[in-house]
Formats: sequence, C-alpha cells, structure tokens
Amino acid sequence: GNSVTQMEGPVTLSEEAFLTINCTYTATGYPSLFWYVQYPGEGLQLLLKATKADDKGSNKGFEATYRKETTSFHLEKGSVQVSDSAVYFCALRITQGGSEKLVFGKGTKLTVNP
Amino acid sequence: EPEVTQTPSHQVTQMGQEVILRCVPISNHLYFYWYRQILGQKVEFLVSFYNNEISEKSEIFDDQFSVERPDGSNFTLKIRSTKLEDSAMYFCASTQGGIGTQYFGPGTRLLVL
Repeated sequence: GNSVTQMEGPVTLSEEAFLTINCTYTATGYPSLFWYVQYPGEGLQLLLKATKADDKGSNKGFEATYRKETTSFHLEKGSVQVSDSAVYFCALRITQGGSEKLVFGKGTKLTVNP
Repeated sequence: EPEVTQTPSHQVTQMGQEVILRCVPISNHLYFYWYRQILGQKVEFLVSFYNNEISEKSEIFDDQFSVERPDGSNFTLKIRSTKLEDSAMYFCASTQGGIGTQYFGPGTRLLVL
C-alpha cells in the first residue's frame, strides 16, 4: 500500500541549529512528494515539493531531495529560527484515473527556542 | 493571496446530532477534498469531489458522511449522526486542476460529546 513514515517528535532545537526531519515512503509507482507546514492556529501550507527522483524542493531555507533508491524525502534546514516553530507533515500524492489524494505522515512538531 | 476558508473554526456537538462543516475553496479551483486528523494521528483522506460528484472516497467515508457544493462557492461536509470517534480536525482543500498542488483551509475542530 501507500504510506508515509515520519520521524516522531517533538523536536526541540536552539535558534541557528541544523534541522533534519526524516521521511520515508512506500508507494506503487512514482509519487510526487511534499512537505506541508502548519503554524499554530493555521491550516496546512505547502512548504516544498518534488515530482520526480533526484528533484530537490526548496523554500524559505528548507530543502528536501527525492531519493528513489532510499524512498526518502528528508527535510533539512541549515539554521532554524524561532519562527520555524510549527508542525511539519510529509506527504505523497497518489494519482489514479484522473483523481488524486494525499497520504500524510503523522507530523513532527518542531519547537525552536531563542 | 487567495485562500481556502472554513467555518466554524470549532464546533462542539452531542453524539447523534448532525453537523455541517463549511468550506469556501479558492474561486477558480475545480477539485475539492476533505481530510481529517484525529488528535495525535495522521491526516487522513476522506473524499474528493469534482463536477458535482464524488471522485473517490475512503473507507472512513461511510453512509453517515455526505458532501455537497450547494451554491457554486461553498463545499460542505455533513455528518448525519455524529459519533464520539468523529472528534477530529477536519481540513478542506482545493486544486485548480485534477493533478495539482492542494491548498488547505485552517481546519474545523469538531468535538463530539
């Protein structure tokens, strides 16, 4: 089946620390991969995406590379800020017969302390 | 920037009552979705909707659930007779094309007592 496994949280870091949130997936075919972020009190926002193997998605200093050989899409940021505190969701997109849906991981809560 | 909106932000209801959760998708979007997240669990797909009919639904989306686009702007999720286990955050999403980035609303937190 199709599934996403995400690093369990919560993750607490100091400002300017390096962030990695691991994400691996199981899928039939070649899904597109996404990271969504949910800031407190807000909805899910697309952070970055990659649609094929070896693609790197990037946004706001965050990066993730689609690794087909390890079925992974780990999220990284070199220097986190307090404003990055949020819940991060890894997801894959399944497309069948013209319709699509997202399969999400459990989410990882990140807290960045000053 | 256009966004998906949802109302109410929070709803408390008694078991067995009907609830309607409302969403206003982005205006030129044609594909609509509902997801839910039970506290501490994954965000789960419920249903997708296009051209006034359901495209796909999950096993969660049983006869107690229905969706509707009553007036060309709202997209609603109705739970006919709520159960305790329906307590969750419900997210609406929309896309312009059938295969495209899904834009999410802020969610409705439903609590069934």
